[in-house]
Amino acid sequence: KQEVTQIPAALSVPEGENLVLNCSFTDSAIYNLQWFRQDPGKGLTSLLLIQSSQREQTSGRLNASLDKSSGRSTLYIAASQPGDSATYLCAVKTGANNLFFGTGTRLTVIP
Amino acid sequence: DAGITQSPRHKVTETGTPVTLRCHQTENHRYMYWYRQDPGHGLRLIHYSYGVKDTDKGEVSDGYSVSRSKTEDFLLTLESATSSQTSVYFCAISHSYTYSIDSGANVLTFGAGSRLTVL
Repeated sequence: KQEVTQIPAALSVPEGENLVLNCSFTDSAIYNLQWFRQDPGKGLTSLLLIQSSQREQTSGRLNASLDKSSGRSTLYIAASQPGDSATYLCAVKTGANNLFFGTGTRLTVIP
Repeated sequence: DAGITQSPRHKVTETGTPVTLRCHQTENHRYMYWYRQDPGHGLRLIHYSYGVKDTDKGEVSDGYSVSRSKTEDFLLTLESATSSQTSVYFCAISHSYTYSIDSGANVLTFGAGSRLTVL
């Protein structure tokens, strides 16, 4: 069974800092990897999706990379802002009928 | 949450009572999913649907049933609620199932969630 791990579970940074969130997965046979943001009491918002054939995707201040062979993905956030405070989840889509989620990294950006 | 709504958003019920959660979409997406989110477990798939009247089990399907009589509606039913089913339930939709050359078709869009408490 696919296992998805996100470390650290929580992270606090001062405003303006660049930061990296990590996601690792055990089975490299994936269709895609998706990064989500979840605000307290809210649903998940898709940030970036990387197809298995791609190495990275960018959207604004966000950049996600994928290294299938090592089972790793990173989400890079540039010039962090207090509005970036949320829980960030990664999920991998496998050949089975499922999307396996990590338990998330709770990010706090301190003004 | 545009295009996908869940109801009710909050519900408190007693052990042994039936509960139905509704997911409604206006995106005409073929694939719909029910997940539950619990601390320490992340999101886990309960059931999913790949078309009208076509459904299948996910990772944690015991104690749950689903129905999809119309493209836009996907119902999750707890026949006899238990305290272990206290959770936040999320519905999700996608245009594609496993792979599409159009990466946008693979994106999973989530509803706002339904918080269920079983006493």
